[in-house]
Amino acid sequence: NAGVIQTPRHKVTGKGQEATLWCEPISGHSAVFWYRQTIVQGLEFLTYFRNQAPIDDSGMPKERFSAQMPNQSHSTLKIQSTQPQDSAVYLCASSLLGGRATQYFGPGTRLLVL
Amino acid sequence: LAKTTQPPSMEAYEGQEVNVSCSHTNIATSEYIYWYRQVPHQGPQFIIQGYKDYVVNEVASLFISADRKLSTLSLPWVSLRDAAVYYCIVTDIPSGSWQLIFGSGTQLTVMP
Repeated sequence: NAGVIQTPRHKVTGKGQEATLWCEPISGHSAVFWYRQTIVQGLEFLTYFRNQAPIDDSGMPKERFSAQMPNQSHSTLKIQSTQPQDSAVYLCASSLLGGRATQYFGPGTRLLVL
Repeated sequence: LAKTTQPPSMEAYEGQEVNVSCSHTNIATSEYIYWYRQVPHQGPQFIIQGYKDYVVNEVASLFISADRKLSTLSLPWVSLRDAAVYYCIVTDIPSGSWQLIFGSGTQLTVMP
């Protein structure tokens, strides 16, 4: 079991550019989560999918951020017109369906917006 | 907002037992307690979960007070690899959102 895979591990973009982050959940896991971690804000929930359907995006900035899960094997987080304040580690996690399921996190993508 | 309060930091020597406390005074009857830890450059890793009394697994043990307002994560014989930020999370996954709300955690420093 390779665990949750996130690509790229590091990404540097210029202000105003688009960034797409990829997540491959653990095979058989039907819930996928996105979190963001910064020194100042800590670990924050962004959004999650259950059986590929978006369930809760309450943590997503309303502008410029979007997430998709086109199939059960991957999810993407897209940031349009990146800003320096978007610099963070973006973490993806997956879990089995069912109550009280453990979330398994990937190593994260470190995004730096210059 | 996180529903838990933890000490910001702790120190221990290798081989010692470490107890990390977590206060969750407003825990609801439907909520469970989870502990995760995070080492640098990695995502958080699940350690243990519990609802009441005492839970033990191969990594740690978790004691939950009778009124469930306080829990203590116990790590036996810590090594340098146990140096991490430890997060206590209280959530009601079945009926609420499945997201985890992380607080500031406890930074554990392990000294040789």
